[in-house]
Amino acid sequence: DSGVTQTPKHLITATGQRVTLRCSPRSGDLSVYWYQQSLDQGLQFLIHYYNGEERAKGNILERFSAQQFPDLHSELNLSSLELGDSALYFCASSVGPGRGGDADTQYFGPGTRLTVL
Amino acid sequence: LAKTTQPISMDSYEGQEVNITCSHNNIATNDYITWYQQFPSQGPRFIIQGYKTKVTNEVASLFIPADRKSSTLSLPRVSLSDTAVYYCLVVHGSGNTGKLIFGQGTTLQVKP
Repeated sequence: DSGVTQTPKHLITATGQRVTLRCSPRSGDLSVYWYQQSLDQGLQFLIHYYNGEERAKGNILERFSAQQFPDLHSELNLSSLELGDSALYFCASSVGPGRGGDADTQYFGPGTRLTVL
Repeated sequence: LAKTTQPISMDSYEGQEVNITCSHNNIATNDYITWYQQFPSQGPRFIIQGYKTKVTNEVASLFIPADRKSSTLSLPRVSLSDTAVYYCLVVHGSGNTGKLIFGQGTTLQVKP
């Protein structure tokens, strides 16, 4: 158990819908990262927040957005869902702001499996 | 960010030592080498991280030669439960945005 929690574990929805995935980082961690893992793309970095501020964006679609709240939990919002958005969504957390080294070791949650029908 | 190259797959038997080598020719001075393990439908699990020479923890050792252009993850006496995908990553320090770039990984199959 990494200490990172994600809800829900599974989500099944229809095309065109909007969903929200939630992540609670390990106690004391200030950074939250979101990743998408699909069969054809592997693990892809989406976005990074540190202490409420966006730090970096990766291959995140405009239909997707995220935020980190004052209590440091984060939500990933996916809208106008398409079949291709079906994937595992992981969040990870670390203590530091992402500068490398032990303070930025990322610990991953169990993931949310999103199925778009 | 330095690109990593590692074997797509490896087979081993229970009780053997497994060494997975990763090459990262373009590694920069501030980069760290990090290994993750992933089981199907689970999040990647941090195994070990190093900068140079040798690092050992309760599950693995990481050997990094002086030129740092490669690294070797060593798993002592593997068991069936070590069957997983192993990812070698180069994490840029000093100004890094924090994103991890995952490649294909090495699928390790441990046989009885």
